[in-house]
Amino acid sequence: SQTIHQWPATLVQPVGSPLSLECTVEGTSNPNLYWYRQAAGRGLQLLFYSVGIGQISSEVPQNLSASRPQDRQFILSSKKLLLSDSGFYLCAWSTFYDEQFFGPGTRLTVL
Amino acid sequence: RKEVEQDPGPFNVPEGATVAFNCTYSNSASQSFFWYRQDCRKEPKLLMSVYSSGNEDGRFTAQLNRASQYISLLIRDSKLSDSATYLCVVPSGSARQLTFGSGTQLTVLP
Repeated sequence: SQTIHQWPATLVQPVGSPLSLECTVEGTSNPNLYWYRQAAGRGLQLLFYSVGIGQISSEVPQNLSASRPQDRQFILSSKKLLLSDSGFYLCAWSTFYDEQFFGPGTRLTVL
Repeated sequence: RKEVEQDPGPFNVPEGATVAFNCTYSNSASQSFFWYRQDCRKEPKLLMSVYSSGNEDGRFTAQLNRASQYISLLIRDSKLSDSATYLCVVPSGSARQLTFGSGTQLTVLP
């Protein structure tokens, strides 16, 4: 069966520091991968999606970037965090159908 | 019109009650629809998929009205464990992107 991992689970970072969040999927090949952010009390906002290795599409302008160095690995990065980057970051995958399945998320607080 | 609009809630209902959530969507070409459940500080989890006029799974029934671009979720015999935020979700792109509604919060009271 398929599983999706994210780490770290929680992170507290100062403004201006770099960020790297990792997501890996097991038990499937060539998944579509997605990064979402959920601000406190808000809905899910799609940040990036990827249909294959090295293929990244950005949904919103921001100081974040994403990379997909391997088929089942998706990384979210920032060179300099802003206070507004605080939130709950979720990685998700899908294959042949439209349903997406989410990882446990990373709760990021920028101070 | 927002892409996906849900009842704002919150809904506070007693155990055993029947509760219904509504959702409207703007993309008339959408073929599939989903309800996700999100517990506090957790990831969303797929509750139901709707590909035709509706779907039923135990106490949960989802209905689709394509003409009105309207989806509903009915929960019968509510349990305390049903307390969560329910997200209405519609596909929105060629890479199977999803657009999420803002969610409806349900609290089932003892």
